[in-house]
Amino acid sequence: DQQVKQNSPSLSVQEGRISILNCDYTNSMFDYFLWYKKYPAEGPTFLISISSIKDKNEDGRFTVFLNKSAKHLSLHIVPSQPGDSAVYFCAASGMERDDKIIFGKGTRLHILP
Amino acid sequence: ETGVTQTPRHLVMGMTNKKSLKCEQHLGHNAMYWYKQSAKKPLELMFVYSLEERVENNSVPSRFSPECPNSSHLFLHLHTLQPEDSALYLCASSAIRAGGTEAFFGQGTRLTVV
Repeated sequence: DQQVKQNSPSLSVQEGRISILNCDYTNSMFDYFLWYKKYPAEGPTFLISISSIKDKNEDGRFTVFLNKSAKHLSLHIVPSQPGDSAVYFCAASGMERDDKIIFGKGTRLHILP
Repeated sequence: ETGVTQTPRHLVMGMTNKKSLKCEQHLGHNAMYWYKQSAKKPLELMFVYSLEERVENNSVPSRFSPECPNSSHLFLHLHTLQPEDSALYLCASSAIRAGGTEAFFGQGTRLTVV
């Protein structure tokens, strides 16, 4: 039973446009959400996070939006650049010390020239 | 350089072999993790060590045996693996704190069991 779902296995976006990656979760105890980026043959790299007390967190071209009532979060990348082509993992955890991080299956983003 | 180093990067082993994966972190973290990434599956948490004590074992078969001699090093000992164990094995580390924490990953070991 997947607690963190990324329903789009892949997404293609024109360079310069906005990329929107979506993620849904089922566990209402999750309070902390993360996005990771992964290039082939490398480990995931932490990108941005958001806690449940916020509905938006922005870091440069990356913005994460959280809708707790819908149990949905999204990552916006604008403008999209060729180097953004990668697999993006959504992850979630509780806020307690020993809460583990649960990952989704990932969405492969292709930035088209 | 992520601060988490895994060796080897690639490993091919037979089903009767015994091998070990090594992970080292230089971030001063006190929790370390082993994840498995198979094709078309989510990242699967295998083991968690918190302050050098194993706190999580996600129903992993006994042919995988973790070892955490100190907070900077983590091993995954492998023996009598099956071809379906072929995957990317990722080590991660994090600080232990309330309020949410991010894990930092190594580059992974690509394991092929033949």
